[in-house]
Amino acid sequence: QKEVEQNSGPLSVPEGAIASLNCTYSDRGSQSFFWYRQYSGKSPELIMSIYSNGDKEDGRFTAQLNKASQYVSLLIRDSQPSDSATYLCAVNIYSGNQFYFGTGTSLTVIP
Amino acid sequence: NAGVTQTPKFQVLKTGQSMTLQCAQDMNHNSMYWYRQDPGMGLRLIYYSASEGTTDKGEVPNGYNVSRLNKREFSLRLESAAPSQTSVYFCASSEARSQETQYFGPGTRLLVL
Repeated sequence: QKEVEQNSGPLSVPEGAIASLNCTYSDRGSQSFFWYRQYSGKSPELIMSIYSNGDKEDGRFTAQLNKASQYVSLLIRDSQPSDSATYLCAVNIYSGNQFYFGTGTSLTVIP
Repeated sequence: NAGVTQTPKFQVLKTGQSMTLQCAQDMNHNSMYWYRQDPGMGLRLIYYSASEGTTDKGEVPNGYNVSRLNKREFSLRLESAAPSQTSVYFCASSEARSQETQYFGPGTRLLVL
């Protein structure tokens, strides 16, 4: 079993809709959770970080963390074509310096 | 601030050749990382350096060596390149430990023939 799992997609949503991206992780001791966006041929860039159970909102983005169920999700409201990218979930599992990344979910927002 | 820089951007090697990938950051970060990214595999940690003078193995260290030259620079060396090392390599840095955002360099595309 991989440390961090994501549905690879592709996920397609119409412009203006809500995109929902999900991620599960294997280690209950995980402390820190991150969502990165990666455009084709580019490097990952941070979208959101979350450390405690519940929701965290930043503009059109909301990260949700449920440690009991071991999942973290990212909601993108009012999706725009510029949101079309691969979204990577990352988890710091041992509260040290090792980060584990999921394989990413490809999102396409259709105008 | 340039952030995290990597050289070269693209490299072609023959099997058995060696090369060093260079990474530098100007954000005064303590921690630096080397990842490889392969289709369908996500980002996998090769080596990391929690602070100047220390290095540790990550998930896939075999076939690689690293040097934390100083606080700014962290290099990755392939002593004898193999086709399985064809990948995109990303260097990243962060302020410190687990709760800190990682900032990524632009990547190096390596093709081993």
